Amino acid sequence: GIQVEQSPPDLILQEGANSTLRCNFSDSVNNLQWFHQNPWGQLINLFYIPSGTKQNGRLSATTVATERYSLLYISSSQTTDSGVYFCAVVGSGNNRKLIWGLGTSLAVNP
Amino acid sequence: GAVVSQHPSRVICKSGTSVKIECRSLDFQATTMFWYRQFPKKSLMLMATSNEGSKATYEQGVEKDKFLINHASLTLSTLTVTSAHPEDSSFYICSARIRDTTGNTEAFFGQGTRLTVV
Repeated sequence: GIQVEQSPPDLILQEGANSTLRCNFSDSVNNLQWFHQNPWGQLINLFYIPSGTKQNGRLSATTVATERYSLLYISSSQTTDSGVYFCAVVGSGNNRKLIWGLGTSLAVNP
Repeated sequence: GAVVSQHPSRVICKSGTSVKIECRSLDFQATTMFWYRQFPKKSLMLMATSNEGSKATYEQGVEKDKFLINHASLTLSTLTVTSAHPEDSSFYICSARIRDTTGNTEAFFGQGTRLTVV
């Protein structure tokens, strides 16, 4: 089945710094989503982005479907950005399950 | 975006008792909902797919008699952990999807339920 790899696994930033998180996937996808899981466990939808580029405030994401990767950009990071960032995809085959990466654990220090 | 509400957010129960977790889609109808389990510092693991009006589909290795799923309406799915044991302690999360104009789906998640069995 489709494989999803995220990098880096862990990231520590100073408040105000920028970062780029990467998600590689092994096959074509119909859906790609980025989520932020906050310290209380809530999964927050960041982007639904099977292709193209989207921006929402300090966050933006780009998916290059032909090259099978997606990038999540965080600019001017804040302590509230801390948590785990997950990339999840639905392959273009018959299996409609959401396949998850292992996440990037981000800590933003004041 | 769509709202999925999960209740309770936290529950502590004694070994041998059963616990019911509710998952509601508040502003849309969901013929299918998904139940996940998450271990500490791990990714989400799909347990089962809940189908409105029919039996749930369980993933390999998930005991259907232990984790009872009922999807009685288009906005409510429930997960009952029966005869709970300490090893059932975990974070359980439900999800529902909305289909866009291309036919692809976007997933939305409940707040999660932290179950502790003592």
